[in-house]
Amino acid sequence: NAGVTQTPKFQVLKTGQSMTLQCAQDMNHEYMSWYRQDPGMGLRLIHYSVGAGITDQGEVPNGYNVSRSTTEDFPLRLLSAAPSQTSVYFCATQPGMGDTEAFFGQGTRLTVV
Amino acid sequence: LAKTTQPISMDSYEGQEVNITCSHNNIATNDYITWYQQFPSQGPRFIIQGYKTKVTNEVASLFIPADRKSSTLSLPRVSLSDTAVYYCLLRGAGANNLFFGTGTRLTVIP
Repeated sequence: NAGVTQTPKFQVLKTGQSMTLQCAQDMNHEYMSWYRQDPGMGLRLIHYSVGAGITDQGEVPNGYNVSRSTTEDFPLRLLSAAPSQTSVYFCATQPGMGDTEAFFGQGTRLTVV
Repeated sequence: LAKTTQPISMDSYEGQEVNITCSHNNIATNDYITWYQQFPSQGPRFIIQGYKTKVTNEVASLFIPADRKSSTLSLPRVSLSDTAVYYCLLRGAGANNLFFGTGTRLTVIP
């Protein structure tokens, strides 16, 4: 039981490049979300999904796309990377709506040069 | 969304009890108070949640006064491995999205 798995752990991109951050969970949780964490700051919500086929925007969605074709996977796409997107990205899951505990992945450290 | 205020940092010696207070003057009636812990280079980890009075689990205790305008996370007998950032969050009943502040950086000293 791996929990929440994020890949890659580290990535360097050039400005304008695109890439997909992967998030997979084996806990059969309905709710999944993506956060970014800038140095010395708390996490900020980018996008979230309440179930397969349903996604919605969080606090800071600009420059990112998501899709949820299966319960297990929730990839985050950067369409055209910018230096302002340099951050650590965390994926999280929760069993369902209103559930107490969120389970976070180990994070992906992204640097855009 | 109601905001929380915590001390930026705290230091404590090993073996001491640590109390981290969070202020949330504008807490809504249906808000729960939730605490997460984050170690360097890791995602946050849920510690404890409460609505009122006192909640205790194997890791920590959470004290919430009757007016709910503040809360205190209590960590008994801290060790070096408790060095981390601790976040106090408010979460509406039925809501999943989490809104993090800057947290309290706890450093445990040998």
